[in-house]
Amino acid sequence: DQQVKQNSPSLSVQEGRISILNCDYTNSMFDYFLWYKKYPAEGPTFLISISSIKDKNEDGRFTVFLNKSAKHLSLHIVPSQPGDSAVYFCAARAYGQNFVFGPGTRLSVLP
Amino acid sequence: DVKVTQSSRYLVKRTGEKVFLECVQDMDHENMFWYRQDPGLGLRLIYFSYDVKMKEKGDIPEGYSVSREKKERFSLILESASTNQTSMYLCASRTTGDEQYFGPGTRLTVT
Repeated sequence: DQQVKQNSPSLSVQEGRISILNCDYTNSMFDYFLWYKKYPAEGPTFLISISSIKDKNEDGRFTVFLNKSAKHLSLHIVPSQPGDSAVYFCAARAYGQNFVFGPGTRLSVLP
Repeated sequence: DVKVTQSSRYLVKRTGEKVFLECVQDMDHENMFWYRQDPGLGLRLIYFSYDVKMKEKGDIPEGYSVSREKKERFSLILESASTNQTSMYLCASRTTGDEQYFGPGTRLTVT
């Protein structure tokens, strides 16, 4: 059973609009979360992180929101750009443990 | 810039062959990881290593082994390749922080 779920395999958004990628987890011990972006034929690259002591972290166009009670986090990209088209992975870990990755969401930003 | 390199981008092997996937990182990271990425399943951890000559099983170690004789190099070995090991293999490294740096991946096809 997957501990980290990304229930939307794909998402299409118009350039300039907001992209919202969602991630749900089941393990209440998870206390640190990462988002990675992956282009075809490249390895994933780190995008943004959030600790369970926060409910929001912002870095430029990227903001991650964490709702611990719902075991849900989301990545907001505003404004979306064609270069943001990639697969986005959510990852979570409990303290001292390895990260568990979600299945990924393919984002397509249409010009 | 951290660089993680993998010996091959594409590999085609026959069932029963012994396969070596090599990974080298240039940032003196203690921790190294091997994942496989499959559609709908995300990244699954095969093996990891916290130090030279140390190895730990991840979530799906069956059919794989690893070797870490030098700090910068982490090898994944398929003793007898099978068709269900056809996948994208990703190597990663990290130091004491949480962010992992990934290589570009090796797409292995076993026929």
